Amino acid sequence: AQSVTQPDIHITVSEGASLELRCNYSYGATPYLFWYVQSPGQGLQLLLKYFSGDTLVQGIKGFEAEFKRSQSSFNLRKPSVHWSDAAEYFCAVGNAGGTSYGKLTFGQGTILTVHP
Amino acid sequence: KAGVTQTPRYLIKTRGQQVTLSCSPISGHRSVSWYQQTPGQGLQFLFEYFSETQRNKGNFPGRFSGRQFSNSRSEMNVSTLELGDSALYLCASSSPGQGDRKLFFGSGTQLSVL
Repeated sequence: AQSVTQPDIHITVSEGASLELRCNYSYGATPYLFWYVQSPGQGLQLLLKYFSGDTLVQGIKGFEAEFKRSQSSFNLRKPSVHWSDAAEYFCAVGNAGGTSYGKLTFGQGTILTVHP
Repeated sequence: KAGVTQTPRYLIKTRGQQVTLSCSPISGHRSVSWYQQTPGQGLQFLFEYFSETQRNKGNFPGRFSGRQFSNSRSEMNVSTLELGDSALYLCASSSPGQGDRKLFFGSGTQLSVL
């Protein structure tokens, strides 16, 4: 069974500092990997995705993530955090095969607090 | 293009009642998925519909059911509500024909069971 682990429940950074959110996955084949962001009381917004090819993927809002197969990781990074980045971040894995497009397995989420 | 619309936004029910939640996908999207989000269990997949057929189902009891209409709008129903059903229910739509597997989420329905 596939699973996703986000080891950090809560991270606090200062505005302008760099950010790295960790994500480890367990999946039997080539995974589809995603990062989503959720503001309080809202739905999830897709930041970026990895399907194949270049292991460093760029997303919206200045975020990027690197797929490392050997470490089963897909960490999210941003060089300089803005106060508006404060939110909860979810890593997710999907089935690369078949037709189950809508079934994702999510990690437990990492809450990001940004100090001025 | 309008986004995914979920109604109602908030709902308060009592134990034993049943509830129906509605989701209108992005125009042209034929796949609709439902998720339950709780502080303890996180985001859990409920089911997925494509062209009015349930394509996949998560590990939830039979009290949770859904359907999809010919216009791709979807509803989910929870019967005999329990306190533990209190959650944010999120709907997501996608367009599998485009092959990029992006899910677009609505803002959710916050269900409180008293």
